[in-house]
Amino acid sequence: SQQGEEDPQALSIQEGENATMNCSYKTSINNLQWYRQNSGRGLVHLILIRSNEREKHSGRLRVTLDTSKKSSSLLITASRAADTASYFCATIQGAQKLVFGQGTRLTINP
Amino acid sequence: DSGVTQTPKHLITATGQRVTLRCSPRSGDLSVYWYQQSLDQGLQFLIQYYNGEERAKGNILERFSAQQFPDLHSELNLSSLELGDSALYFCASSVATTGGNSPLHFGNGTRLTVT
Repeated sequence: SQQGEEDPQALSIQEGENATMNCSYKTSINNLQWYRQNSGRGLVHLILIRSNEREKHSGRLRVTLDTSKKSSSLLITASRAADTASYFCATIQGAQKLVFGQGTRLTINP
Repeated sequence: DSGVTQTPKHLITATGQRVTLRCSPRSGDLSVYWYQQSLDQGLQFLIQYYNGEERAKGNILERFSAQQFPDLHSELNLSSLELGDSALYFCASSVATTGGNSPLHFGNGTRLTVT
């Protein structure tokens, strides 16, 4: 089974709105990563947040981490058409295996 | 551009055949990872190498094998191919020995179609 599970599976919003995606995981982590994947392309790293951090920002991206709830969220503010992509969280499972969730497919409508 | 190069971009082959996928990691990265992405299974971790040695193994079939060479490029060999092996195969690289401790840089993948 996957270590990280994203929610929702799909999200469709209007350009300019904010998009929030969630990730839940099962076991303790040292850090959690978020990636973006444009259709049929390789994944692109967005943010790495460590277990001792609660929030991290990068441009229009804000990631939060709640280790007590074993969950993380990715907020994209003022969305643009170019943000249309799938978003994945990734954590270590077992011995050093970096595993990805099933992803949230985000569609930004003009 | 991630700096990770995968060849070929597309591969079409028949069941029962064997193929080799090649990956050149980003300059300076010692770790190479292989992932398989299909519609029904999502992104599955296959295997990781660090500086030529296997570091972590995922759901890699016995028909599949990989290695990392002294120049750090890696190859993924898929044999006795089945229709279900059709997928996007990604290579990624990082500086860290462990997958979770630093960002992974992904290539654009090899799309394998088995007919």
